[in-house]
Amino acid sequence: QVQLVQSGAEVKKPGASVKVSCKASGYTFTNYCIHWVRQAPGQGLEWMGIINPSGGAPIYAQKFQGRVTMTRDTSTTTVYMELSSLRSEDTAVYYCARVDTPIITLGAFDIWGQGTMVTISS
Amino acid sequence: EIVMTQSPATLSVSPGERATLSCRASQSVSSNLAWYQQKPGQAPRLLIYGASTRATGIPARFSGSGSGTEFTLTISSLQSEDFVVYYCQQYNTWPRTFGQGTEVEIK
Repeated sequence: QVQLVQSGAEVKKPGASVKVSCKASGYTFTNYCIHWVRQAPGQGLEWMGIINPSGGAPIYAQKFQGRVTMTRDTSTTTVYMELSSLRSEDTAVYYCARVDTPIITLGAFDIWGQGTMVTISS
Repeated sequence: EIVMTQSPATLSVSPGERATLSCRASQSVSSNLAWYQQKPGQAPRLLIYGASTRATGIPARFSGSGSGTEFTLTISSLQSEDFVVYYCQQYNTWPRTFGQGTEVEIK
């Protein structure tokens, strides 16, 4: 079945970086863009950016420009989100989510990963 | 960026009754509007896309309407599993933005 499986929970110190993976299966990896969304404890959903697994530059939310890097590995059908210069406010669950329409970036998020808890603590 | 405003923040409804959730966009998003349901400890689930189209496997008691800047999610007869949080999201422009959520609670 179509699914996105994310890497496990992380605990990082302030100033460090974290890299979260999202492995896709059950569909043609390069046909669907992947978004990253985060959710701080008890808070709402915050969009971080989008990557096209077939190539091209990712699009990042301005808030994360300079701190976030999204990449993909077509050989393993995996996308990655790396966030640097971590601070306590980055403590959140990070989700990857697939766009529901092939090829284009316009679309709702139809398949979500299970989420990865990232905790920033000294 | 487009600001999505959901109302109310909390909606108290009795089981079996109808719930009406609102979402307003600060500028037109056409029909590029989605609704998600999120249960505690779980990832969001897509309910409605294109403002009014139910996603695969979503029960018919969920319906969406609206276009432009005003949208509504209606749950016709609330079941026990529906008392959770709902988010609207626009995917018309960058950055994609979500509303702050509406929690539907048991009255």
